[in-house]
Amino acid sequence: EDQVTQSPEALRLQEGESSSLNCSYTVSGLRGLFWYRQDPGKGPEFLFTLYSAGEEKEKERLKATLTKKESFLHITAPKPEDSATYLCAVHGNQFYFGTGTSLTVIP
Amino acid sequence: GAGVSQSPSNKVTEKGKDVELRCDPISGHTALYWYRQSLGQGLEFLIYFQGNSAPDKSGLPSDRFSAERTGGSVSTLTIQRTQQEDSAVYLCASSRGSSGNTIYFGEGSWLTVV
Repeated sequence: EDQVTQSPEALRLQEGESSSLNCSYTVSGLRGLFWYRQDPGKGPEFLFTLYSAGEEKEKERLKATLTKKESFLHITAPKPEDSATYLCAVHGNQFYFGTGTSLTVIP
Repeated sequence: GAGVSQSPSNKVTEKGKDVELRCDPISGHTALYWYRQSLGQGLEFLIYFQGNSAPDKSGLPSDRFSAERTGGSVSTLTIQRTQQEDSAVYLCASSRGSSGNTIYFGEGSWLTVV
């Protein structure tokens, strides 16, 4: 059965403290892995798409990587404005979303 | 349009009433999705439209929920005889096609059933 698991559920970081969020997946026929950011009261905002193992994408303080079983979202020197819920999704037969990691960056 | 547009942004309705939620996808996007997100929860798939194909309705939670997509563009999600457990944000998303294309979300329609 296709599924996506994100960890940790919640993460508190001091400003400047780098860390990584994990997205583990099982899917038959991966057609893409997606990362989104969701702020309270808003729709998910697209961050990255990864298609094949070994692929990496970067945007400002964020870097997404992909292996055959998992993806990591690395956050380097985070700032308070990076506080949000980060969602991972995989596209197999359907889109499957994880339940997200709630990130809080403390000044 | 530039992004996925949803209306209304907020709706408060009485239990038992019917509601309609509208989604206008990004121009040129053939795939359209509806998701539901309850407070503090993940995204729950509801229905998927791709071009002129029959929609994938496998996520609709009951027969009180239905959706249509007219002319391959605008979609309406209808909830009949609303219940309090229907209170959630209903998110619409669209993509260029079905295979590995990024889906882009609207800001959602917040439904409160009182």
